[in-house]
Amino acid sequence: DSGVTQTPKHLITATGQRVTLRCSPRSGDLSVYWYQQSLDQGLQFLIQYYNGEERAKGNILERFSAQQFPDLHSELNLSSLELGDSALYFCASSVGGGAWDYEQYFGPGTRLTVT
Amino acid sequence: AQRVTQPEKLLSVFKGAPVELKCNYSYSGSPELFWYVQYSRQRLQLLLRHISRESIKGFTADLNKGETSFHLKKPFAQEEDSAMYYCALGRSGGSNYKLTFGKGTLLTVNP
Repeated sequence: DSGVTQTPKHLITATGQRVTLRCSPRSGDLSVYWYQQSLDQGLQFLIQYYNGEERAKGNILERFSAQQFPDLHSELNLSSLELGDSALYFCASSVGGGAWDYEQYFGPGTRLTVT
Repeated sequence: AQRVTQPEKLLSVFKGAPVELKCNYSYSGSPELFWYVQYSRQRLQLLLRHISRESIKGFTADLNKGETSFHLKKPFAQEEDSAMYYCALGRSGGSNYKLTFGKGTLLTVNP
């Protein structure tokens, strides 16, 4: 078990709504990464936090935001949801701050369905 | 812009046969390349990275800058290699970097 946990496992919500996905990194890891996996776009890097601060941004929409708390868990907030936001959202963690300096350990993902 | 292309969505081979999963990239700088694997009902995990030049589970991948490729190879495929494989490219620029994934290749190794 990689130790990265994500809640909830599944989330079904309606268009226009707002949801929060939660991620707890492995013990000792300071970085948290968020990814979106959809059939259309494949696996896309959204954003990274390192020790509480935003470190890198990928293809994250303006309607999405994230933060990392002092206990290092992270939340991804998705608002004004659209049908196209339906996807599997992964969280990963690593010890250090670089995307490839350290191995990223992935969580099981949260499956979001927007109806 | 950086891009990763995995031309094969599906790849099917027989056990014991050689396997090559193709990955091509476009990037103007010095690339950092990775292969990730996701076995059925398991999490995505790092398989190997080009900077370490290691062989994991019999897989190797060589970075060919001339052909901008990072193909994943194994001389004798095993049934347990059946999984989804993603090639990924890392780019840095000060504190701004991205990790871009290909769309993946589903490898099926038949008995």
